[in-house]
Amino acid sequence: QSALTQPASVSGSPGQSITISCTGTSSDVGGYNYVSWYQQHPGKAPKLMIYDVSNRPSGVSNRFSGSKSGNTASLTISGLQAEDEADYYCSSYTSSSTLANWVFGGGTKLTVL
Amino acid sequence: EVQLVESGGGLVKPGGSLRLSCAASGFTFSSYSMNWVRQAPGKGLEWVSSISSSSSYIYYADSVKGRFTISRDNAKNSLYLQMNSLRAEDTAVYYCARGSFDFDYWGQGTLVTVSS
Repeated sequence: QSALTQPASVSGSPGQSITISCTGTSSDVGGYNYVSWYQQHPGKAPKLMIYDVSNRPSGVSNRFSGSKSGNTASLTISGLQAEDEADYYCSSYTSSSTLANWVFGGGTKLTVL
Repeated sequence: EVQLVESGGGLVKPGGSLRLSCAASGFTFSSYSMNWVRQAPGKGLEWVSSISSSSSYIYYADSVKGRFTISRDNAKNSLYLQMNSLRAEDTAVYYCARGSFDFDYWGQGTLVTVSS
């Protein structure tokens, strides 16, 4: 069981927008602005897409945006493109004494129809 | 260009040991915290361990605490993970990743298979 909850799958048509949610607790997502999002294509290493809730690393398309409200973070991809089809993982720093210091969501498979 | 190259994976029997290495280049290794993250076949990502730039702070996931040891050699630009008392559930691709609160660069991973 993953510490952060993500939907198992989302889908959208090219050009549309989709949002992936990531729900945690006040000890992780809600307590720190250290939420990040990773894109992983099959057989490849993860790639950082969003850090510190809403910041994009250099080179990441501005079609990707992040936000947070309470204990839930969200990744929005606008203007869906075929190459966006991948698995997406959220991650958060956590201070819970019984969990790792960093936790991931279970991952969301994005299908571009 | 930042590069992280893992090595040392392979097939090991339950209860055995393995030492993973991660060779870093393209950045000032001694200035960055480093991490190990693993991914079991067909499963999601799991953070394993982190070490601060000067090795002053070290953290482990509960699932590996007492069995795995993270270390680094800043003179050799290298990160290590000593894995002892390996279990079947440790089977995964192990990635090294750079960063403190997020992981901005990842290696290609090395596969560890624990099986008799």
